[in-house]
Amino acid sequence: GQQVMQIPQYQHVQEGEDFTTYCNSSTTLSNIQWYKQRPGGHPVFLIQLVKSGEVKKQKRLTFQFGEAKKNSSLHITATQTTDVGTYFCAGRGNFNKFYFGSGTKLNVKP
Amino acid sequence: DTGVSQDPRHKITKRGQNVTFRCDPISEHNRLYWYRQTLGQGPEFLTYFQNEAQLEKSRLLSDRFSAERPKGSFSTLEIQRTEQGDSAMYLCASSSPGSLKETQYFGPGTRLLVL
Repeated sequence: GQQVMQIPQYQHVQEGEDFTTYCNSSTTLSNIQWYKQRPGGHPVFLIQLVKSGEVKKQKRLTFQFGEAKKNSSLHITATQTTDVGTYFCAGRGNFNKFYFGSGTKLNVKP
Repeated sequence: DTGVSQDPRHKITKRGQNVTFRCDPISEHNRLYWYRQTLGQGPEFLTYFQNEAQLEKSRLLSDRFSAERPKGSFSTLEIQRTEQGDSAMYLCASSSPGSLKETQYFGPGTRLLVL
């Protein structure tokens, strides 16, 4: 069945360092979404990418969708302690089903 | 607050008991999703509704799970004869479809513990 793999599982960085998480799908996706979940919270929508090769930026966050629409990445420049949380990608497959990656848990040391 | 709400927020039950969770989506959203999330994992799709119609159901969902959305507004998820493996966070999300641009808004979840 359709799967979305996400790496790394954990990332510990010093405040000010960069962070990247990667998502790979076994099949072509119609779009991909990114969510952030704070400890004890629920996933909160960050962004959606639809077009092949699309790049979007939100302040220090840069999101990319691969040319083949099977992979995606989220890059955070100069992390801050407020970036702490788990970042999930969610690929949209057939029949409006969303397949979430297992998430990358980011810890930022001040 | 017009966000997605879920009730109860926490539920502790004994193995073999039935439990029912409720989700109230954002009022103008006609799509509603149920997910299950265990520790260290991403949300796992269970089922989704468009209005009152249940359009897709995960094959991972056993016959003990059933969901309804009778009037196309709130939804309920029932688990019969609960097992310890059912312990998880059950998340509801709603969205308003607009071609491919569909943002899911998640509720706070119901955390289930089966003893």
